[in-house]
Amino acid sequence: DAGVTQSPTHLIKTRGQQVTLRCSPKSGHDTVSWYQQALGQGPQFIFQYYEEEERQRGNFPDRFSGHQFPNYSSELNVNALLLGDSALYLCASSLTGEEAFFGQGTRLTVV
Amino acid sequence: GENVEQHPSTLSVQEGDSAVIKCTYSDSASNYFPWYKQELGKRPQLIIDIRSNVGEKKDQRIAVTLNKTAKHFSLHITETQPEDSAVYFCAATTSAGGTSYGKLTFGQGTILTVHP
Repeated sequence: DAGVTQSPTHLIKTRGQQVTLRCSPKSGHDTVSWYQQALGQGPQFIFQYYEEEERQRGNFPDRFSGHQFPNYSSELNVNALLLGDSALYLCASSLTGEEAFFGQGTRLTVV
Repeated sequence: GENVEQHPSTLSVQEGDSAVIKCTYSDSASNYFPWYKQELGKRPQLIIDIRSNVGEKKDQRIAVTLNKTAKHFSLHITETQPEDSAVYFCAATTSAGGTSYGKLTFGQGTILTVHP
């Protein structure tokens, strides 16, 4: 079991560009959540997907959007990148009622 | 929404001592409280969790206690070892629907350093 995998591991983008991050959940997990972790802080919830729909959303602007595919994998899209979007983006998967497992994250740097 | 406060922000102990990290939460509906350990450059890893129907849970050197009335929960690590050095995060959540858990609200983190 490969656990939760995310790609890419590192990414450098220019302000104003768009980025897509990808997540493959742990085998059998049906729920995917995305978090943003700024340096020295705890992860902040972006949104959660279940059955291909956004179930919950945190306090992030509409520039942040996502998608879940029938195989439960997920994408996070960020448009019009700002310098402040630089962070570690974590994907967490879980099975209904069970604990969340995190991927290794994607380190996004906006220059 | 939920707010989780975590203290202390840094904790330094000698090998073999105990370490205690405390968290308070604001939403009385929260019913699941996991603790994560994050080593530098690595993913957060679940080390222990507790549900609101339990007051205490122990796993070898790690234990967590929950006081629902006071809305606080604590992580206790006994016989600390240098490899326990990491950032520890507490979190709280409630059901998103049915038995599923929704968003995790994290504390600010505690940097634990265990000196040999």
